[in-house]
Amino acid sequence: EVQLLESGGGLVQPGRSLRLSCAASGFTFSSSAMAWIRQAPGKGLEWVSGISYGGDNKYYTDAVKGRFTVSRDNAKNTLYLQMDNLRAEDTALYYCAKDLRTFQVIGVLFESWGQGTMVAVSS
Amino acid sequence: QSVLTQPRSVSGSPGQSVTISCIGTSRDIGTYDYASWYQHRPGKAPKLVIYDVFKRPSGVPDRFSGSKSGNTASLTISGLQAEDEADYYCSSYATTSVLFGGGTKVTVL
Repeated sequence: EVQLLESGGGLVQPGRSLRLSCAASGFTFSSSAMAWIRQAPGKGLEWVSGISYGGDNKYYTDAVKGRFTVSRDNAKNTLYLQMDNLRAEDTALYYCAKDLRTFQVIGVLFESWGQGTMVAVSS
Repeated sequence: QSVLTQPRSVSGSPGQSVTISCIGTSRDIGTYDYASWYQHRPGKAPKLVIYDVFKRPSGVPDRFSGSKSGNTASLTISGLQAEDEADYYCSSYATTSVLFGGGTKVTVL
């Protein structure tokens, strides 16, 4: 059974940093492109970042470019999102998600999702 | 990066059909056959119900169907059931990014 467990969320002041982690199990992590998707309170889903199965290709939505960095450790079956210079508008529930297909450069079809970790940015 | 356009809400009685539209552009839905749909119930993780415009993942009832015409993708739920009440989001690839719609709340009357 595929399991994705996010951690690292919390309350942080504007301008500070957080690092989210997503521990994966139940599938061959190194074969799957992964993504971070967020949902702000009362809002819809927003794709934040994606990373290829090998980690060489990384993609970001315009709103986080230059502030967020996605990475993965295939030996540890873990996905990361380093979030720097956080803003109030980054407040959201952050999900990690696994692509449906294997060996993709960018994940576009998300068949498995974690339960999310909440990030709140406020002074 | 733009958001795909969905109606805020649709409703129907049990047994009826509802269709949700998702309007994109020639840079996303109109070019790529990667339109997908997610069911999102409160407190739960989103669930993929349609991918590649019309394909259903294993375990998704055939009451769910998808289609595309030009820059618009659509999700139809036939034989509406109480358990179908949820938020539904469309999504599409858009050249090095992924777009989601604003979401549609489906209410079963």
